[in-house]
Amino acid sequence: SQTIHQWPATLVQPVGSPLSLECTVEGTSNPNLYWYRQAAGRGLQLLFYSVGIGQISSEVPQNLSASRPQDRQFILSSKKLLLSDSGFYLCAWTTGVGRRANVLTFGAGSRLTVL
Amino acid sequence: RKEVEQDPGPFNVPEGATVAFNCTYSNSASQSFFWYRQDCRKEPKLLMSVYSSGNEDGRFTAQLNRASQYISLLIRDSKLSDSATYLCVVNPPTGGFKTIFGAGTRLFVKA
Repeated sequence: SQTIHQWPATLVQPVGSPLSLECTVEGTSNPNLYWYRQAAGRGLQLLFYSVGIGQISSEVPQNLSASRPQDRQFILSSKKLLLSDSGFYLCAWTTGVGRRANVLTFGAGSRLTVL
Repeated sequence: RKEVEQDPGPFNVPEGATVAFNCTYSNSASQSFFWYRQDCRKEPKLLMSVYSSGNEDGRFTAQLNRASQYISLLIRDSKLSDSATYLCVVNPPTGGFKTIFGAGTRLFVKA
């Protein structure tokens, strides 16, 4: 069966510090991968998605970046965090094919507080 | 107008009650629709897909009204464990990459 792992689960970072969140998917190949952010009381905002290794599409201009060094690995990074980067970050994947092509399965999330 | 709109609630209902949520979407060409459930401080999880013909899964019924551009979720015989935030999810005509989430409707079921 497919599983998705995301870490770290929580982190508190000072303004201006770097960030690295990692996500891996197991039990499938060539998944579509996503990074979302959920601010308190808000809907999920799509940040990045990837259809393959090295292929990244950015949805929102920001100081964040994403990379996909391996088929089932997706990394969210920042060189310098802003206060507004605080939020709940969720990695997700879809198969992209078949009846459940667009059904998103999420990791457990990473709660980031920037102070 | 937001692309996907939901009443944020909260809906406070007693156990055993029937409760319904609606969600409206702005793009008439939207392709697919879902309801997700999100528990406090947890990740969203798929509750059910919403088909044009409507679908039912136990106590949960989802319906799509394309003419009026809304989807609905009906929960019968509410349980305490149904307390959660319910997210309306819409895929635009561009495909599944840019799935749009509503901000969610909070439900509290009380004993």
